[in-house]
Order: sequence, then C-alpha cells, then structure tokens
Amino acid sequence: DAGVTQSPTHLIKTRGQQVTLRCSPKSGHDTVSWYQQALGQGPQFIFQYYEEEERQRGNFPDRFSGHQFPNYSSELNVNALLLGDSALYLCASSREWDTQYFGPGTRLTVL
Amino acid sequence: AQSVTQLGSHVSVSEGALVLLRCNYSSSVPPYLFWYVQYPNQGLQLLLKYTSAATLVKGINGFEAEFKKSETSFHLTKPSAHMSDAAEYFCAVSVHNQAGTALIFGKGTTLSVSS
Repeated sequence: DAGVTQSPTHLIKTRGQQVTLRCSPKSGHDTVSWYQQALGQGPQFIFQYYEEEERQRGNFPDRFSGHQFPNYSSELNVNALLLGDSALYLCASSREWDTQYFGPGTRLTVL
Repeated sequence: AQSVTQLGSHVSVSEGALVLLRCNYSSSVPPYLFWYVQYPNQGLQLLLKYTSAATLVKGINGFEAEFKKSETSFHLTKPSAHMSDAAEYFCAVSVHNQAGTALIFGKGTTLSVSS
C-alpha cells in the first residue's frame, strides 16, 4: 500500500513566478492538509481540503491556494513567489478526522 | 487558541541513556497530542498519539509519552537511546472541530546520540 506521495521532489523558481505542487493521499484517505516548513522550524499549517472544499485555513496570504480533485489528490499553488516562500512543503492525508500521515515533501527554492 | 512549546532545541545523550524530550501544550479544550519524528531530508513519521484514552501512550521504536493534564505536558521518553534515534522530533496539538483538524507544531528538538 503506497503512502502519501508528493511531486516534484525539488523545485527551483525565481521571484514573481508561480508554482504548483502535487500530492496523492494514502489509499482510503479523503482529507489532505498542506504545511510549510521553513529551515530549522516546525511545520506551519496552510490549509486542509475535504470533499473538494477548503475546510480550514491557516495564517497564509491569498497567494497560497489549493484544490482537491474527485480522486482526493490535491494541488498547492503559490503565486508571485517571494524569497521567503523557500521551504519544504509537506502534504498530509487522513481519513477525515483521523491521524494525519505525511509525505516526503517538496523542497522549493526561490531565487 | 492552541500552542505547543518544546523545551530545549537540542538534546544530546549517550547511546543507552534515557531520552527525555519535553513538550508543553496550551489548549482551551481537550487536546489531541502527537509526536512526530523527522529524519534528514524526509517527511514526518508518526511516533505516537494521545486521543483522550490511556494517559500513558506507547509508540513505535520503544518511545512512549505520558499525558499530564495538571502540568499541561506530554513529554516523550525512551529508556535506552540508540544511534538510529538521532533525528528531529516535533510535538503537535490539534483540536477536532467542525472547522477541521489542523496540527499546530512546536519548533522541534534535535536529538543527538553519541557512542
């Protein structure tokens, strides 16, 4: 049984560009959450998707947006990239209210 | 609002010694508490969780944690450290309500194990 998968593994962008990160949840999971982990920090909650709707959102600007597809996979989009957006982006999946399981992350570098 | 404080950004122990990583939480309602471990260049792996059942929770790799409501603590322990335990450890709290189940993480504790 495959765990949570994320793509790409690494990504390099320049300031002002836009980026899309992808996440496939564990089999049987219907909820996807996204987190940003800056270097040397704990993960910070960006938002959570359930039934293709954004159910909960953390303290992130509107430049961060997402989507969940009917097969429960999800995308995280970041527009107008800033240097401060450089981080490890983690996706976690769960069965609605249950425990969240994390993917390996996507390392985004903004130059 | 919920929050987590991990005391000690870096803990060093010798192989075979007791591991104690400290976590205090703040929550206005009964919390769910978690410990995750992160190895270099990897995602987070769940060690254990507390969801209002037994206050002493056993996890993987010999780790356990005790929920103490009076002290608002959820410290992680392991009786005997192994070299493979060297990693970053994160304590997290969540509250399950209609809004969702966001995890609020502490800043993490780096565990070093020397031979």
